[in-house]
Amino acid sequence: GQNIDQPTEMTATEGAIVQINCTYQTSGFNGLFWYQQHAGEAPTFLSYNVLDGLEEKGRFSSFLSRSKGYSYLLLKELQMKDSASYLCAVRDRGNAGNMLTFGGGTRLMVKP
Amino acid sequence: GAVVSQHPSWVICKSGTSVKIECRSLDFQATTMFWYRQFPKQSLMLMATSNEGSKATYEQGVEKDKFLINHASLTLSTLTVTSAHPEDSSFYICSARDLEGPETQYFGPGTRLLVL
Repeated sequence: GQNIDQPTEMTATEGAIVQINCTYQTSGFNGLFWYQQHAGEAPTFLSYNVLDGLEEKGRFSSFLSRSKGYSYLLLKELQMKDSASYLCAVRDRGNAGNMLTFGGGTRLMVKP
Repeated sequence: GAVVSQHPSWVICKSGTSVKIECRSLDFQATTMFWYRQFPKQSLMLMATSNEGSKATYEQGVEKDKFLINHASLTLSTLTVTSAHPEDSSFYICSARDLEGPETQYFGPGTRLLVL
């Protein structure tokens, strides 16, 4: 199986930068995903990394190091609406149907 | 982007009744759909992988006779919670993978089930 760890909660200030880390252990790594989930809603896709390096998408960036089993999601110019849970998910080649295994999620609170 | 719908959005039912939840991919075909359950302040827990035209693959600890999954077409999967009990109250979310699109899963809006 896969082990995926990420902090449970984080707090940051509006306008600041926050980095949410995710570490994982898997035997047949085949991609790492970040999702955003607001309370009571379904997750929405943020980013996908399969090769090492940084992927930038506007205010959000995601980094992957396969050798270290490590990823982070970087949120810049934080806005109040960024308060949500951020889910790290890993896909393993051994999993049927390309299913994802999710970490516990990081609840981010953005304060004024 | 790809759209996945779920119906109904909310269900309140009495203990012992069965509830069917539909998951549809609206603008793409999905041979594989996934069913998740999420309890308050917890992450998504995969229940089963639904494959079009074949039996679903259930995760360990998920009773296949209680959570019946049918994937009758490339755009529709259904989850039936049989003889629901209060402990089955949860947020049920489906997702589908677009065969032709990027390597992501698209999530439905979720179905909130409350069993009294």
